Order: sequence, then structure tokens, then C-alpha cells
Amino acid sequence: NAGVTQTPKFRVLKTGQSMTLLCAQDMNHEYMYWYRQDPGMGLRLIHYSVGEGTTAKGEVPDGYNVSRLKKQNFLLGLESAAPSQTSVYFCASSYSPKTSGLLNEQFFGPGTRLTVL
Amino acid sequence: QKEVEQDPGPLSVPEGAIVSLNCTYSNSAFQYFMWYRQYSRKGPELLMYTYSSGNKEDGRFTAQVDKSSKYISLFIRDSQPSDSATYLCAMTPNFGNEKLTFGTGTRLTIIP
Repeated sequence: NAGVTQTPKFRVLKTGQSMTLLCAQDMNHEYMYWYRQDPGMGLRLIHYSVGEGTTAKGEVPDGYNVSRLKKQNFLLGLESAAPSQTSVYFCASSYSPKTSGLLNEQFFGPGTRLTVL
Repeated sequence: QKEVEQDPGPLSVPEGAIVSLNCTYSNSAFQYFMWYRQYSRKGPELLMYTYSSGNKEDGRFTAQVDKSSKYISLFIRDSQPSDSATYLCAMTPNFGNEKLTFGTGTRLTIIP
């Protein structure tokens, strides 16, 4: 099993450019998450999804959009990148505690380092 | 004020020392407490979790929760250079909650 994979690993954008980050998981997890991690700020939830076709806003959703068309994939889009979006982005996935009876252990991908100039 | 506060460190200790990592929180509804370990340039991974108050031991690691003080700790005995990482606490109010609230993480270095 590959677990949670993220594409790309690194990216440099110019202000105003757009891009999509792809997250894929092969653990049949219901829940998926996008976080950003900045020095001194910890992990902040951007958007999350509790199932295919559903998404919800997290703590810092502005400037980002997401889609979950397939259960195993969760896409994060930046329509018009800004320097404030320079960060390390992590995707995570977990079983639904309600259906699995397991605590919400989140499995993280390796991260995408994004720089916006 | 953040819901979860964690000293960012960095914390450097000699190999073999006992390490204490701590988080405080303000939301009394939190009942499940987790510790994640994050190696440099990697994603976090779950180390251990506890429910409500009390201690839980797993090898060299002990997680402790004091709900009356809203304070949780992770102790590492006989620390090893391989324990060098950032440690993040996380918590959630109930078993079915889909979201976790993370601390900012403490960067730990074990000096050989």
C-alpha cells in the first residue's frame, strides 16, 4: 500500500497563477483533509471531506477550493496564488469513526512545498 | 488565544535523558488526546493516544492527561537520537468527531 500520496512534491508559482494539488489514498478512507503548515502556526485545516462528493470549510478556507469526485482522491485548487499561500501543504485521510468504530487517526501524506513569488 | 497551546521549543537534550513535552488547552469538551511525531520534511504520524484523564504507556513513551488542569504531557524515557523530531499534540471532543485540533508542535533534538 502506498498510503497517502501527494502530487507535486514541490512547486514555485508566480502571484496570480493557478494550480491544483492532488491527494490520493489507497486505504478506502471516508474522510480526507487538506492542511497547511507554517512556522509557529502549526497545522491549520483548510478544507475537509467526509465522503465522496461532499466538502466542508476548515479554519482557513479563503483562497482555496476543493473537490472530491472520487473517494480516493481529494484535490486542492488555488485559483489566483498569493505570496501568503507560500506554505507546506499536507493531505490526510482517516476512517470514519462512526462507521469503523476506530478513533479518528489521520494518516498524512509527505507534503507539497509551495512557494508563491 | 489558541484552543491548544504548545511550547514550540526548540528543545535539545542529551541522549538518554527523560524528555517532557506538554500542551495546554482551553476547551473542556476535549476528551481524546493524541501525540503525533513529525520527522523533518515528512508528514506527521500518530504516536499514541489517550482517552480522558490518566496515563498510557507504550515502550519508552508515556502519555499523561490531567483534565482538571487542562494539561497533557508526553514523556520519553531513555531518549535516542532517532527521537529527534517535531511532536504535535492533537485533541478532539468526542469519538465521532471528524476534526482534530492540533498544537503548533515542539521541535526536539536529542544530542548523541
